[in-house]
Amino acid sequence: QVQLVESGGGVVQPGRSLRLSCAASGFNFNDYGMHWVRQAPGKGLEWVALLWFDGRDEYYEDSVKGRFTITRDNSNNTLYLQMNSLTAEDSAVYYCGRDPMITGLIDLWGQGTLVTVSS
Amino acid sequence: QSALTQPASVSGSPGQSITISCTGANSDFGSYNLVSWFRQNPGKAPKVIIYEVTERPSGISHRFSGSRSGNTASLTISGLQAEDEADYYCCSYADGRWVFGGGTKLIVL
Repeated sequence: QVQLVESGGGVVQPGRSLRLSCAASGFNFNDYGMHWVRQAPGKGLEWVALLWFDGRDEYYEDSVKGRFTITRDNSNNTLYLQMNSLTAEDSAVYYCGRDPMITGLIDLWGQGTLVTVSS
Repeated sequence: QSALTQPASVSGSPGQSITISCTGANSDFGSYNLVSWFRQNPGKAPKVIIYEVTERPSGISHRFSGSRSGNTASLTISGLQAEDEADYYCCSYADGRWVFGGGTKLIVL
């Protein structure tokens, strides 16, 4: 079955860290760029980060630069998002999505994992 | 970086056509034609309906079309149907970053 499954969300205190995972199955993970996109409760979509097929190039939204790191393990078909120095503004559902040509054609999304930053 | 500007809501009756605009600065679109549109139903993940300004992914109805003029991209839905009621987001690439619009709620009257 072609799918993406996020995990790792939860409640975390401000200033702490969390690592999200996105497990891919049913397709050749190596062939796709991968995005993280988040959505705060009741708000719109916000792009977070992108990692190229081979992990060579990575891009970040300004507010997470220096705090978040996107990585991938192509041997285990898994994408990660390491999130450090979390603030309340990082509270959101985090989605991973695949992009075959890195043109914004995010044609498969996970179900999302909720991160709540609160003391 | 600021989000692309979309109207908060658009409405139309079944059978009509509606257009959702997506406006940004030059720096939001760059010289690329990498504008996508996504539909999101409540509690669900987004779904791509347009990419590279005008392209429709496999399985997406011809009722959905995209265009761009300068710093404004547009999504047109013709032959409006009740099931089109959802939130719609534009997304653009420029200079190493992607940015989403604030989203438009489509109401089918």
